[in-house]
Amino acid sequence: DVKVTQSSRYLVKRTGEKVFLECVQDMDHENMFWYRQDPGLGLRLIYFSYDVKMKEKGDIPEGYSVSREKKERFSLILESASTNQTSMYLCASTHRPGLAGEETQYFGPGTRLLVL
Amino acid sequence: EDKVVQSPLSLVVHEGDTVTLNCSYEVTNFRSLLWYKQEKKAPTFLFMLTSSGIEKKSGRLSSILDKKELFSILNITATQTGDSAIYLCAVDNQGGKLIFGQGTELSVKP
Repeated sequence: DVKVTQSSRYLVKRTGEKVFLECVQDMDHENMFWYRQDPGLGLRLIYFSYDVKMKEKGDIPEGYSVSREKKERFSLILESASTNQTSMYLCASTHRPGLAGEETQYFGPGTRLLVL
Repeated sequence: EDKVVQSPLSLVVHEGDTVTLNCSYEVTNFRSLLWYKQEKKAPTFLFMLTSSGIEKKSGRLSSILDKKELFSILNITATQTGDSAIYLCAVDNQGGKLIFGQGTELSVKP
């Protein structure tokens, strides 16, 4: 079974703090993704990575950065947290497109972040 | 701009009812459409659809894709309280990432 884990289920931070969200997958997937989920807006892609040290901006990268130093780990960083970054953050992973039978994304349990 | 739209955004039904959830899309390079179920945790995969007119079934859930009219439906028959969840539709546009709709929040009352 594919396993995607996230470092925290719930997190409370103060405005201006630096926040690290960690995601680890154990299936040797090439692609990893960070989304945020807000009511009425669905899942919106923040950043994704196709390989180690590679990253690409998604639809809403402002205020975020990422790091992929190892294939299994993809970190999301909020350099200076703001209240509008209060949200549910979901990490996902998948094999590189084109590998038969491995095209769906597998999600972690999510981190619910509250910024005060 | 690629877009996925789900309707309705929320739905309340009673146990035993049948529901139909809708997903329409506009993408430049369609590869597949996926349905996920999300309870109070990570979305879990339900179906992947790539061909028009071929129904996929899993128990009381079924889904079909119409690539000409650019939509998919997810049907749930004989609903149960355990079907209460957010149902997410997403399209793979061959760019290696998924484009998600807003989700449909289904609530099944006893």
